Amino acid sequence: EDKVVQSPLSLVVHEGDTVTLNCSYEVTNFRSLLWYKQEKKAPTFLFMLTSSGIEKKSGRLSSILDKKELFSILNITATQTGDSAVYLCAVYNTDKLIFGTGTRLQVFP
Amino acid sequence: DAGVIQSPRHEVTEMGQEVTLRCKPISGHNSLFWYRQTMMRGLELLIYFNNNVPIDDSGMPEDRFSAKMPNASFSTLKIQPSEPRDSAVYFCASSFLGGENIQYFGAGTRLSVL
Repeated sequence: EDKVVQSPLSLVVHEGDTVTLNCSYEVTNFRSLLWYKQEKKAPTFLFMLTSSGIEKKSGRLSSILDKKELFSILNITATQTGDSAVYLCAVYNTDKLIFGTGTRLQVFP
Repeated sequence: DAGVIQSPRHEVTEMGQEVTLRCKPISGHNSLFWYRQTMMRGLELLIYFNNNVPIDDSGMPEDRFSAKMPNASFSTLKIQPSEPRDSAVYFCASSFLGGENIQYFGAGTRLSVL
């Protein structure tokens, strides 16, 4: 059965800390891995990763994929209160996205 | 582009009533996805369409749920009759399969069945 597992489930940090969110997966026909940020409403797209070892970066956020070990990490440096959200990892099995349950990040001032 | 547009944003109804959720995908996208999100089960894919044709409805919980996509700019998800366990946030997403492949989500419909 296809599955996407995220860890930790929850994380509480102070502003300025660096965090690493983990995502491991097992899917039949892997195509790509996506990260989304969900605040109170819809998930918003962060990154799509298709190739191993190539880091994607956007400001203080970065992500990398390891297709051999079947995992990805999302790093957030110098966290801010606005980073508080649920971060969702999703993997394409052919044309269907399989979502993990998410990591809830809370950043306190 | 206005993004994926869903209506209504909130729906409160009584058990046994029919509920219709609506979605307008991003113009130019060829695929549309309906998801349900709950605390217990997270985000679950219910059904998806490619070029207005239903491709996979294996996630539709039971016959009370149905979805249509009569044209490239409109889809509906209907629940008849509704039950309290259907209470959840329902998201619609669209993408260009075969191209960018990134799914963009609407703001969701929060459904409460009393």
